[in-house]
Amino acid sequence: ETGVTQTPRHLVMGMTNKKSLKCEQHLGHNAMYWYKQSAKKPLELMFVYSLEERVENNSVPSRFSPECPNSSHLFLHLHTLQPEDSALYLCASSPRDRGLDTQYFGPGTRLTVL
Amino acid sequence: AQSVTQLDSQVPVFEEAPVELRCNYSSSVSVYLFWYVQYPNQGLQLLLKYLSGSTLVKGINGFEAEFNKSQTSFHLRKPSVHISDTAEYFCAVTFSSGGYQKVTFGTGTKLQVIP
Repeated sequence: ETGVTQTPRHLVMGMTNKKSLKCEQHLGHNAMYWYKQSAKKPLELMFVYSLEERVENNSVPSRFSPECPNSSHLFLHLHTLQPEDSALYLCASSPRDRGLDTQYFGPGTRLTVL
Repeated sequence: AQSVTQLDSQVPVFEEAPVELRCNYSSSVSVYLFWYVQYPNQGLQLLLKYLSGSTLVKGINGFEAEFNKSQTSFHLRKPSVHISDTAEYFCAVTFSSGGYQKVTFGTGTKLQVIP
Protein backbone atom coordinates (compact mmCIF):
# COMPACT_ATOMS: atom_id res chain seq x y z
CA GLU A 1 0.00 0.00 0.00
CA THR A 2 1.74 3.13 -1.20
CA GLY A 3 -0.93 5.54 -0.03
CA VAL A 4 -1.41 6.88 -3.57
CA THR A 5 -4.20 5.41 -5.67
CA GLN A 6 -4.99 5.96 -9.31
CA THR A 7 -8.10 5.14 -11.33
CA PRO A 8 -8.64 3.72 -13.80
CA ARG A 9 -5.66 1.38 -14.06
CA HIS A 10 -6.22 0.90 -17.79
CA LEU A 11 -7.93 3.18 -20.30
CA VAL A 12 -8.47 2.84 -24.02
CA MET A 13 -9.87 5.86 -25.82
CA GLY A 14 -10.36 7.21 -29.29
CA MET A 15 -8.88 10.49 -30.42
CA THR A 16 -12.21 12.29 -30.13
CA ASN A 17 -13.07 11.06 -26.63
CA LYS A 18 -12.91 13.00 -23.38
CA LYS A 19 -11.80 11.15 -20.29
CA SER A 20 -10.27 11.91 -16.90
CA LEU A 21 -7.61 10.24 -14.80
CA LYS A 22 -7.96 10.42 -11.04
CA CYS A 23 -5.32 10.36 -8.34
CA GLU A 24 -5.88 10.32 -4.61
CA GLN A 25 -3.29 10.40 -1.84
CA HIS A 26 -3.93 9.42 1.76
CA LEU A 27 -0.58 10.61 3.13
CA GLY A 28 -1.38 14.18 4.11
CA HIS A 29 1.05 15.54 1.54
CA ASN A 30 0.94 19.07 0.14
CA ALA A 31 2.47 18.49 -3.30
CA MET A 32 1.19 16.33 -6.15
CA TYR A 33 2.63 15.53 -9.55
CA TRP A 34 1.68 14.07 -12.93
CA TYR A 35 4.34 12.17 -14.90
CA LYS A 36 4.28 10.53 -18.31
CA GLN A 37 6.27 7.29 -18.68
CA SER A 38 6.95 6.16 -22.25
CA ALA A 39 9.09 3.24 -23.31
CA LYS A 40 12.81 3.99 -23.51
CA LYS A 41 12.35 7.63 -22.48
CA PRO A 42 13.02 9.31 -19.15
CA LEU A 43 10.10 9.90 -16.87
CA GLU A 44 8.60 13.22 -17.99
CA LEU A 45 7.29 15.61 -15.37
CA MET A 46 4.06 17.15 -16.66
CA PHE A 47 2.56 19.15 -13.82
CA VAL A 48 3.31 20.02 -10.20
CA TYR A 49 0.79 21.26 -7.68
CA SER A 50 1.77 22.64 -4.30
CA LEU A 51 -0.98 23.47 -1.82
CA GLU A 52 -3.46 23.14 -4.67
CA GLU A 53 -1.70 25.74 -6.82
CA ARG A 54 0.04 24.79 -10.04
CA VAL A 55 3.74 25.59 -9.71
CA GLU A 56 5.13 23.82 -12.76
CA ASN A 57 3.85 23.13 -16.23
CA ASN A 58 6.49 21.62 -18.47
CA SER A 59 5.16 22.81 -21.83
CA VAL A 60 2.49 20.15 -21.89
CA PRO A 61 0.00 20.34 -24.79
CA SER A 62 -3.35 21.86 -23.91
CA ARG A 63 -5.13 18.58 -24.66
CA PHE A 64 -3.94 17.64 -21.15
CA SER A 65 -5.69 19.69 -18.48
CA PRO A 66 -4.90 19.17 -14.78
CA GLU A 67 -7.16 19.94 -11.87
CA CYS A 68 -6.37 19.91 -8.16
CA PRO A 69 -9.55 20.60 -6.16
CA ASN A 70 -7.86 19.89 -2.81
CA SER A 71 -4.54 18.61 -1.50
CA SER A 72 -5.71 14.97 -1.61
CA HIS A 73 -7.01 14.80 -5.16
CA LEU A 74 -5.51 15.39 -8.57
CA PHE A 75 -7.15 14.93 -11.94
CA LEU A 76 -5.85 14.87 -15.49
CA HIS A 77 -8.53 15.68 -18.04
CA LEU A 78 -7.89 14.35 -21.51
CA HIS A 79 -9.43 15.44 -24.81
CA THR A 80 -8.60 14.98 -28.50
CA LEU A 81 -5.50 12.97 -27.71
CA GLN A 82 -3.07 11.60 -30.27
CA PRO A 83 -1.74 8.03 -30.56
CA GLU A 84 1.67 9.24 -29.36
CA ASP A 85 0.05 10.15 -26.05
CA SER A 86 -0.27 6.43 -25.29
CA ALA A 87 1.84 5.83 -22.18
CA LEU A 88 1.76 5.06 -18.48
CA TYR A 89 0.63 8.12 -16.52
CA LEU A 90 1.94 8.20 -13.00
CA CYS A 91 0.74 10.34 -10.15
CA ALA A 92 2.99 11.11 -7.19
CA SER A 93 2.85 13.10 -4.00
CA SER A 94 5.41 14.46 -1.54
CA PRO A 95 5.21 16.28 1.78
CA ARG A 96 6.14 19.55 0.09
CA ASP A 97 7.49 20.50 -3.34
CA ARG A 98 11.04 20.62 -2.07
CA GLY A 99 13.60 18.65 -4.02
CA LEU A 100 14.86 16.67 -1.05
CA ASP A 101 11.43 15.20 -0.37
CA THR A 102 10.75 11.62 -1.36
CA GLN A 103 8.00 11.23 -3.91
CA TYR A 104 5.39 8.53 -3.40
CA PHE A 105 4.00 7.10 -6.61
CA GLY A 106 0.70 5.54 -7.52
CA PRO A 107 0.53 2.41 -9.70
CA GLY A 108 -0.24 4.40 -12.82
CA THR A 109 -2.89 4.45 -15.52
CA ARG A 110 -1.99 2.64 -18.74
CA LEU A 111 -3.48 4.80 -21.49
CA THR A 112 -3.93 3.63 -25.06
CA VAL A 113 -5.11 6.11 -27.67
CA LEU A 114 -6.50 4.53 -30.82
CA ALA B 1 22.32 21.92 -18.92
CA GLN B 2 21.62 19.41 -16.19
CA SER B 3 21.13 15.77 -17.07
CA VAL B 4 21.05 12.25 -15.68
CA THR B 5 22.54 9.30 -17.52
CA GLN B 6 21.95 5.62 -16.92
CA LEU B 7 24.20 4.00 -19.46
CA ASP B 8 22.88 0.46 -19.13
CA SER B 9 19.32 -0.09 -20.31
CA GLN B 10 19.41 -3.75 -19.28
CA VAL B 11 21.60 -5.66 -16.85
CA PRO B 12 21.32 -9.47 -16.64
CA VAL B 13 22.90 -11.06 -13.58
CA PHE B 14 22.79 -14.49 -12.00
CA GLU B 15 21.09 -14.98 -8.68
CA GLU B 16 23.37 -14.41 -5.67
CA ALA B 17 25.89 -12.52 -7.81
CA PRO B 18 26.75 -8.87 -7.09
CA VAL B 19 25.39 -6.08 -9.23
CA GLU B 20 26.17 -2.44 -9.91
CA LEU B 21 23.79 -0.12 -11.74
CA ARG B 22 25.44 3.04 -12.94
CA CYS B 23 24.18 6.59 -12.73
CA ASN B 24 26.02 9.75 -13.73
CA TYR B 25 24.76 13.28 -13.66
CA SER B 26 25.80 16.62 -15.01
CA SER B 27 25.26 19.72 -12.93
CA SER B 28 27.10 22.83 -11.85
CA VAL B 29 24.95 23.29 -8.76
CA SER B 30 24.27 21.24 -5.67
CA VAL B 31 22.10 18.17 -6.06
CA TYR B 32 20.07 15.63 -4.17
CA LEU B 33 20.24 12.07 -5.47
CA PHE B 34 17.69 9.26 -5.42
CA TRP B 35 17.25 5.69 -6.60
CA TYR B 36 13.74 4.43 -7.21
CA VAL B 37 12.59 0.92 -8.15
CA GLN B 38 9.60 -0.02 -10.27
CA TYR B 39 8.23 -3.55 -10.10
CA PRO B 40 5.97 -4.77 -12.93
CA ASN B 41 2.57 -3.06 -13.01
CA GLN B 42 3.47 -0.81 -10.11
CA GLY B 43 4.56 2.76 -9.55
CA LEU B 44 8.02 3.79 -8.45
CA GLN B 45 9.11 3.44 -4.83
CA LEU B 46 12.14 4.89 -3.09
CA LEU B 47 15.17 2.65 -2.55
CA LEU B 48 17.47 5.25 -1.05
CA LYS B 49 18.50 8.87 -1.26
CA TYR B 50 21.49 11.08 -0.64
CA LEU B 51 20.91 14.54 0.76
CA SER B 52 24.12 15.31 2.64
CA GLY B 53 26.61 13.77 5.05
CA SER B 54 28.09 10.32 4.54
CA THR B 55 28.58 9.55 0.87
CA LEU B 56 27.65 5.88 1.36
CA VAL B 57 23.91 5.51 1.63
CA LYS B 58 22.13 2.32 2.61
CA GLY B 59 18.60 1.64 1.43
CA ILE B 60 15.93 -1.02 1.55
CA ASN B 61 16.31 -4.60 0.35
CA GLY B 62 20.09 -4.62 0.90
CA PHE B 63 20.89 -1.96 -1.70
CA GLU B 64 23.44 0.80 -1.18
CA ALA B 65 24.81 3.63 -3.27
CA GLU B 66 27.86 5.86 -3.09
CA PHE B 67 27.88 9.51 -4.00
CA ASN B 68 31.09 10.47 -5.77
CA LYS B 69 31.19 14.21 -6.32
CA SER B 70 34.42 14.25 -8.33
CA GLN B 71 33.08 11.67 -10.76
CA THR B 72 29.51 13.01 -10.57
CA SER B 73 28.23 9.50 -10.03
CA PHE B 74 25.75 7.74 -7.76
CA HIS B 75 26.04 4.05 -8.58
CA LEU B 76 23.71 1.52 -6.99
CA ARG B 77 25.09 -1.76 -5.67
CA LYS B 78 23.96 -4.97 -4.06
CA PRO B 79 26.40 -7.72 -3.02
CA SER B 80 24.00 -10.61 -3.72
CA VAL B 81 20.83 -10.31 -5.78
CA HIS B 82 17.63 -12.31 -5.51
CA ILE B 83 15.02 -13.19 -8.07
CA SER B 84 12.71 -10.70 -6.39
CA ASP B 85 15.10 -7.88 -7.33
CA THR B 86 14.05 -8.21 -10.97
CA ALA B 87 12.63 -4.76 -11.72
CA GLU B 88 13.47 -1.46 -13.37
CA TYR B 89 15.65 0.97 -11.46
CA PHE B 90 15.60 4.73 -11.92
CA CYS B 91 18.19 7.24 -10.84
CA ALA B 92 16.81 10.71 -10.10
CA VAL B 93 18.54 13.96 -9.38
CA THR B 94 17.10 17.16 -8.00
CA PHE B 95 18.79 20.35 -9.13
CA SER B 96 18.41 23.72 -7.49
CA SER B 97 17.25 26.17 -10.13
CA GLY B 98 16.02 29.68 -9.34
CA GLY B 99 14.59 28.65 -5.98
CA TYR B 100 12.66 25.76 -7.48
CA GLN B 101 13.82 22.19 -7.07
CA LYS B 102 13.48 20.33 -10.37
CA VAL B 103 13.59 16.53 -10.39
CA THR B 104 15.09 14.80 -13.41
CA PHE B 105 14.89 11.03 -13.89
CA GLY B 106 17.19 8.81 -15.90
CA THR B 107 15.91 6.45 -18.57
CA GLY B 108 16.00 3.47 -16.23
CA THR B 109 17.92 0.20 -16.04
CA LYS B 110 16.10 -3.11 -16.20
CA LEU B 111 17.69 -5.61 -13.85
CA GLN B 112 17.03 -9.21 -14.84
CA VAL B 113 18.05 -11.77 -12.24
CA ILE B 114 18.66 -15.18 -13.76
CA PRO B 115 18.02 -18.27 -11.60
